[in-house]
Amino acid sequence: DTTVKQNPRYKLARVGKPVNLICSQTMNHDTMYWYQKKPNQAPKLLLFYYDKILNREADTFEKFQSSRPNNSFCSLYIGSAGLEYSAMYLCASSRLGGNYAEQFFGPGTRLTVL
Amino acid sequence: GEQVEQLPSILRVQEGSSASINCSYEDSASNYFPWYKQEPGENPKLIIDIRSNMERKQIQELIVLLDKKAKRFSLHITDTQPGDSAMYFCAASVNNAGAKLTFGGGTRLTVRP
Repeated sequence: DTTVKQNPRYKLARVGKPVNLICSQTMNHDTMYWYQKKPNQAPKLLLFYYDKILNREADTFEKFQSSRPNNSFCSLYIGSAGLEYSAMYLCASSRLGGNYAEQFFGPGTRLTVL
Repeated sequence: GEQVEQLPSILRVQEGSSASINCSYEDSASNYFPWYKQEPGENPKLIIDIRSNMERKQIQELIVLLDKKAKRFSLHITDTQPGDSAMYFCAASVNNAGAKLTFGGGTRLTVRP
């Protein structure tokens, strides 16, 4: 099974409320990524877990949290959603370890903040 | 950090003709360049990639070229079909822990029957 699953596929949130998005994969990949994609823009890396080590991009450091309770699951947490968080959130996973690793993407969660 | 520019953003071609998408990058340390295709309602899928030790790679109708000196790489689809209509993203990565992808802005390709 080479699929990456994301839940929910669509999420409606109110301004100021928290949002939690879930991603899972059963490929035993050591690395999982979260990207934010807005219309007509490139996917933007927010953070990634390499094994248990979380790496957050400098410009999104304080806006997003994540946890990876086990190898298969990874969450993306927004503590207080703002209108600017409305976007598609893509999760991806890969197996690193010295190789050029293909990233497998999930279907995405479309978040709308009202 | 790395910046990737992708052009054109919109591309319309006639079925059977070729389509070309061009990308440029800034970080000379980038050494892996994948191309993703995203169809409506679907997740991005890797269609072809090239590593810095190669200048050309072909998989069926897909050809990628890499010019490391100019920091440019390109995707060429020969004999396009309506099924090639999709969003295409190029990306660049440095192969280290994490292998972060920096994506180009995307090209929306439409193949007219």
